[in-house]
Amino acid sequence: EVNLVESGGDLVHPGGSLRLSCAASGFTVRDNYMHWVRQAPGKGLEWVSVIYSGGRTYYAASVKGRFTISRDSSKNTLYLQMNRLRGEDTAVYYCVGGDFDYWGRGTLVTVSS
Amino acid sequence: QSVLTQPPSASGTPGQTVTISCSGSSSNIGTNIVNWYQQLPGTAPKLLIYSNNHRLSWVPDRFSGSKSGTSASLVISGLQSEDEADYYCAAWDDSLSVSYVFGTGTKVTVL
Repeated sequence: EVNLVESGGDLVHPGGSLRLSCAASGFTVRDNYMHWVRQAPGKGLEWVSVIYSGGRTYYAASVKGRFTISRDSSKNTLYLQMNRLRGEDTAVYYCVGGDFDYWGRGTLVTVSS
Repeated sequence: QSVLTQPPSASGTPGQTVTISCSGSSSNIGTNIVNWYQQLPGTAPKLLIYSNNHRLSWVPDRFSGSKSGTSASLVISGLQSEDEADYYCAAWDDSLSVSYVFGTGTKVTVL
């Protein structure tokens, strides 16, 4: 059974940084596309970033230059390093694997002073 | 902001048919496959339909998807109370850089 578990969400001040983690089981992060998708409170879904199995990465325009997606194959874990956080980054962040087949339960990031 | 447009809401009584439209452009739906996601209240989204019209194994056959040109549709035939949820279309977009775009979302209410 595939299980994706996000962690690292917290309350952070504008301009601050945070690193999200996504621990995978029953699924090999290195061999699959891995995404981060977010959902602001009461709003729709927004794709954030992807890392391909070959290592190439892409980002939404709203986070490019501020967020970095990465993975640790030895830990079978996906990461999202978020810098220069803004109020509009407040959202539940979902880790998503494969062709969007597998979703974690999400972790809440709140950016507020 | 979303580049795929959906109606904000749709509703029907049990047994009725509900259709959700998803309008895009040549750089997304016109070129790439469409997926549909279901998000039940208070839960994470789930992939419902992939590659325009293929159901996941857990999805009842009352759900069907289609695509034509730069638009796609999700049809729920024989609406049931457990279908009350938010539904999102999505596709890869090739316009500037690689990105994945979601629709604006449609709240389906079973009356």
